[in-house]
Amino acid sequence: AQRVTQPEKLLSVFKGAPVELKCNYSYSGSPELFWYVQYSRQRLQLLLRHISRESIKGFTADLNKGETSFHLKKPFAQEEDSAMYYCALSGAGGTSYGKLTFGQGTILTVHP
Amino acid sequence: KAGVTQTPRYLIKTRGQQVTLSCSPISGHRSVSWYQQTPGQGLQFLFEYFSETQRNKGNFPGRFSGRQFSNSRSEMNVSTLELGDSALYLCASSLRGSGGDIQYFGAGTRLSVL
Repeated sequence: AQRVTQPEKLLSVFKGAPVELKCNYSYSGSPELFWYVQYSRQRLQLLLRHISRESIKGFTADLNKGETSFHLKKPFAQEEDSAMYYCALSGAGGTSYGKLTFGQGTILTVHP
Repeated sequence: KAGVTQTPRYLIKTRGQQVTLSCSPISGHRSVSWYQQTPGQGLQFLFEYFSETQRNKGNFPGRFSGRQFSNSRSEMNVSTLELGDSALYLCASSLRGSGGDIQYFGAGTRLSVL
């Protein structure tokens, strides 16, 4: 079974502060990990995925297989980063076709 | 490119009725996935279609069904509606539906069951 846990439902930081959104997963094989973001009144959209190993809007995430984590980090938060963030996992093989398993999401609020 | 389009955006139904939701994927995408989003359960996978075939299914009762047409457009049907079916239903399209594929989401259909 695959499972994604985001331990923080709410996270508040001040502008310019570092931010880390935690994500832990459970999966027996080699997962594909994603971070999706939903800004106010917008649809869910991809922020980044681990296979791309890129930084989007200043955010990075490293897959740590030993700790089964995929935490999202940004060194200096901006007010426009305020949104709902979802960590998601996709497996391999037939039981994973088209299936993303989502965490419960973390609402990030960046105060001025 | 046009994004994923879901219609209608809002629906109000009563218990026992049935409902059909529609999803038009991004041009060239052959995989369509459906999700149910509720405050209590979050985002849960319903099923996935590829080339008119259901390849994967989540843990939902048989009242939830779907289909895909030759142009990759997909419909989802819920029969004998229950109050607990009230939710935001999202569809997402991707090129192949394989593990590393990016899924692109529609704006959703909000279903209210009275």
